[in-house]
Amino acid sequence: GAVVSQHPSRVICKSGTSVKIECRSLDFQATTMFWYRQFPKQSLMLMATSNEGSKATYEQGVEKDKFLINHASLTLSTLTVTSAHPEDSSFYICSAYDAGETQYFGPGTRLLVL
Amino acid sequence: AQSVAQPEDQVNVAEGNPLTVKCTYSVSGNPYLFWYVQYPNRGLQFLLKYITGDNLVKGSYGFEAEFNKSQTSFHLKKPSALVSDSALYFCAVRGANDYKLSFGAGTTVTVRA
Repeated sequence: GAVVSQHPSRVICKSGTSVKIECRSLDFQATTMFWYRQFPKQSLMLMATSNEGSKATYEQGVEKDKFLINHASLTLSTLTVTSAHPEDSSFYICSAYDAGETQYFGPGTRLLVL
Repeated sequence: AQSVAQPEDQVNVAEGNPLTVKCTYSVSGNPYLFWYVQYPNRGLQFLLKYITGDNLVKGSYGFEAEFNKSQTSFHLKKPSALVSDSALYFCAVRGANDYKLSFGAGTTVTVRA
């Protein structure tokens, strides 16, 4: 299957700083990528849809100024958590469709804000 | 609106016994159905999908799932569970014309030796 990578896998930062998470499709091109958030032992919550060359589409209740998404190329989307606070601590997962109908997921990024 | 229900939070089985993880769905039109598995602190791994064709779908690691349109179900099965199958399993659905997946709450599978 298609491979999606994320970097970093884990990040610890101080409250008030910004953190950037990268999501890459390694063996395919993705005009659309997705960013999810997952709390412990819970399901995935879709945060936004990242579109190559255009603005991201955010789900209701997700602050677009706090979670900045950039999809500058067909293989890279970035999520920047701006002015992070402890409540932003979570597991962030990205995904993308390959040429077929299947969404493939990255390994996730664990964010801890102190 | 589309939705998925996984009625069991936890499923416990002995190694070597059959494993079933239940999933029912609601979607407009023809469903695209998926099963994913998640190990601790990892992303979701794709197991199998039903788009069209045979109702019995075979996937990775010996898993299979049966699409039942009348019961709107897509239960995941494995004839003989392994301890290494212990993980969190998610069922997901989308409509044919929708790109967003809707996930169930997840079912934690524990296989005891």
